[in-house]
Amino acid sequence: DAMVIQNPRYQVTQFGKPVTLSCSQTLNHNVMYWYQQKSSQAPKLLFHYYDKDFNNEADTPDNFQSRRPNTSFCFLDIRSPGLGDAAMYLCATSREMAGPSYEQYFGPGTRLTVT
Amino acid sequence: AQKITQTQPGMFVQEKEAVTLDCTYDTSDQSYGLFWYKQPSSGEMIFLIYQGSYDEQNATEGRYSLNFQKARKSANLVISASQLGDSAMYFCAMREDPNDYKLSFGAGTTVTVRA
Repeated sequence: DAMVIQNPRYQVTQFGKPVTLSCSQTLNHNVMYWYQQKSSQAPKLLFHYYDKDFNNEADTPDNFQSRRPNTSFCFLDIRSPGLGDAAMYLCATSREMAGPSYEQYFGPGTRLTVT
Repeated sequence: AQKITQTQPGMFVQEKEAVTLDCTYDTSDQSYGLFWYKQPSSGEMIFLIYQGSYDEQNATEGRYSLNFQKARKSANLVISASQLGDSAMYFCAMREDPNDYKLSFGAGTTVTVRA
């Protein structure tokens, strides 16, 4: 009964070679989020979708893009990965955005290595 | 300014004993929510417990309880009867304002349970 699924779990890419990470959800939640988490640090929000409305965090580099073709799927595209982009990428969903009690459900993450 | 402070980078606890993880927060909002997440080495962020700022009783979920002291702005997590499977990173997070989608995470505390 997996709820938030991320593929692949481990991804190796070369410096400068575009890479796409995938997230899908079976919860039918309106909101999907992408976080970047570097080693031993807290997750950092990159952007989120409310339905089809995209919201980029102010400090998210242009190198990071996202697509949400439908409610269930959301993709993270890194156009030209640098060594500093090596991290765990976490996808999360929530039913709504408003209200303090709307918890976010996280996927297992994709660990990206850049060689 | 840091919104969530977790002062304990790492802790050791003996199996079957209780452990308290500290979390202090900073907000001027009256309505906010506090969350604790567990992140095992596999990477998935697992929601543990939630406390709303207007909740008068401390939240409990099985072996997890939240010691909420509003005046002190602290929301410590207590894990009772620790198990080896509790070894993980634990994050405290806050959602301010009912209409704010963002979770502010603390730096995390690594818990290692010893047999």
